[in-house]
Amino acid sequence: DQQVKQNSPSLSVQEGRISILNCDYTNSMFDYFLWYKKYPAEGPTFLISISSIKDKNEDGRFTVFLNKSAKHLSLHIVPSQPGDSAVYFCAARRWDNNDMRFGAGTRLTVKP
Amino acid sequence: ETGVTQTPRHLVMGMTNKKSLKCEQHLGHNAMYWYKQSAKKPLELMFVYSLEERVENNSVPSRFSPECPNSSHLFLHLHTLQPEDSALYLCASSSLGGEAFFGQGTRLTVV
Repeated sequence: DQQVKQNSPSLSVQEGRISILNCDYTNSMFDYFLWYKKYPAEGPTFLISISSIKDKNEDGRFTVFLNKSAKHLSLHIVPSQPGDSAVYFCAARRWDNNDMRFGAGTRLTVKP
Repeated sequence: ETGVTQTPRHLVMGMTNKKSLKCEQHLGHNAMYWYKQSAKKPLELMFVYSLEERVENNSVPSRFSPECPNSSHLFLHLHTLQPEDSALYLCASSSLGGEAFFGQGTRLTVV
């Protein structure tokens, strides 16, 4: 039962443009959402998070949007840089629970 | 450096071998996790330990056996694995309600 879905396995954008990565979830009990970034041969690293009491959280070039009614969140990166090229994982959990579920990841390629 | 250290980084084992993966964190976290990452699949949660007590076991085959002797250390004991168990095994830790910090993973190949 895949409770967190990232339906786009890959995304390619030009340097300087906006990257939008999407994520959907099915479990309405999730109330804390995270994005992780993963380079080859490394573990995922935490990027940004959002709790269900907010609909937007911004950190520099990264902004996460949450649409609870649609059970959808997205990560915006603007402007995109070649160093952003990596696999991005969406994750969801309940704040009081250690059961964190991940999507399959989206491979972002930012072309110079 | 995330503060979560996994050893070994690479492991090749035969189907009859017994080996163990080790994970260590000194971040003061009270939860530790094992995840499996296979090609083109989501990160699969295998086990969760909270305050050294196992709280999650997502129908993982018994050939994988976790051990959490204290809040800083986590092991994954492997025996009689199958080639399809070849994957990247990731350890993570977190405080309750916080984001998880991952180790660099152990790339396991079963031959």
